[in-house]
Amino acid sequence: QSALTQPPSASGSPGQSVTISCTGTSSDVGNYNYVSWYQQHPGKAPKILIYEVSKRPSGVPDRFSGSKSGNTASLTVSGLQAEDEADYYCSSIAGSNKVIFGGGTRLTVL
Amino acid sequence: EVQLVESGGGLVQPGESLRLSCSASGFSFSTYWMTWVRQAPGKGLEWVANIKEDGTERNYVDSVKGRFTISRDNAKNSLSLQMSSLRAEDTAVYYCTRNRVMSDYWGQGTLVTVSS
Repeated sequence: QSALTQPPSASGSPGQSVTISCTGTSSDVGNYNYVSWYQQHPGKAPKILIYEVSKRPSGVPDRFSGSKSGNTASLTVSGLQAEDEADYYCSSIAGSNKVIFGGGTRLTVL
Repeated sequence: EVQLVESGGGLVQPGESLRLSCSASGFSFSTYWMTWVRQAPGKGLEWVANIKEDGTERNYVDSVKGRFTISRDNAKNSLSLQMSSLRAEDTAVYYCTRNRVMSDYWGQGTLVTVSS
């Protein structure tokens, strides 16, 4: 089970949009609509942002959106704000009720 | 309010055992899959294990299979992770999370350090 591939870093200025990719295989991301995204601030537990590719739990701003094409899922953060600076992780079911995470992307708000 | 509170972390030597616990409240524990996720210092998240609502199905990441056992007590709203033959690479914060394919609630984590 190899980790999903995410860029180590991403950045954008306040108000801009940034997209983070998450690349897997036809055995995980490409085969299931069970991609999730998490936000983690330093020293804190992760928080779910997106589940089932594009669904947002209540309380998550609509500035956060998810999508998927083939073996690659994406998280877009629109209208960047200072508090969006954090680490972001994707995950996918990988068959047999197992889950794999991406390596994480550190988002910097310039 | 959903709450997950982990306990049991600490410093152990390689080869030793440790049992983590997670106390759940604020939701119907027996109707949810539960999951353990860990994070090594300065590293990313790693899914460790999950367990079905009634405990009849358990799944593990390959690196802990045969060494870790996930279990639950629905009468006590409690989740456990029994860890044996611990290795340095098991050093991490261990999070108790709710659900199967997406962890919608997370505890604060408990730190396990494996070192001589």
